[in-house]
Amino acid sequence: AQSVAQPEDQVNVAEGNPLTVKCTYSVSGNPYLFWYVQYPNRGLQFLLKYITGDNLVKGSYGFEAEFNKSQTSFHLKKPSALVSDSALYFCAVRGSSNTGKLIFGQGTTLQVKP
Amino acid sequence: NAGVTQTPKFQVLKTGQSMTLQCAQDMNHEYMSWYRQDPGMGLRLIHYSVGAGITDQGEVPNGYNVSRSTTEDFPLRLLSAAPSQTSVYFCASRGQGYNEQFFGPGTRLTVL
Repeated sequence: AQSVAQPEDQVNVAEGNPLTVKCTYSVSGNPYLFWYVQYPNRGLQFLLKYITGDNLVKGSYGFEAEFNKSQTSFHLKKPSALVSDSALYFCAVRGSSNTGKLIFGQGTTLQVKP
Repeated sequence: NAGVTQTPKFQVLKTGQSMTLQCAQDMNHEYMSWYRQDPGMGLRLIHYSVGAGITDQGEVPNGYNVSRSTTEDFPLRLLSAAPSQTSVYFCASRGQGYNEQFFGPGTRLTVL
């Protein structure tokens, strides 16, 4: 069965510092991995995805994520955090079947302090 | 394009009442899904559909029904609402291949 784990409920960073939000996954076959962001009282917005190819994926708003197959991880990163990055971040995984379900982690709240 | 739309935005029900949450998309997407979001539990998949006339259960299907008579619409029915169904409900759709899902703005449901 597919599963996603986000081990940190909350990550706190100072503005200007690098940030990492962790994600590990379990899926049969090749994984399709996604990061979404949710601002208060809003829907989910797509940030980036890994399908195949380069392990470092670049996405919206300066975010990137590194796929590590041996560690089954897909951590979200940003070199320099902004206060406006404060939000709830979700990692999600889908199996290689084209009809596969998208399963989400429990979410990590990112708090960037000035 | 309006993208994925959901109605209503807010709803309060009494235990035992029934209702339908509406979801529509105008992107001609084959795949549509319903999720519920609860604090500390992320988004859990309720039901999904891979095309008109085809639906399947997700992680938490009990108490919910769906149908997909057209490509555009994917309503979620609560047959007999329970307080445990108090949640925020999101509808999502995606096209073929490796595409990401697009989410609607959500429906906040309270069952008293």
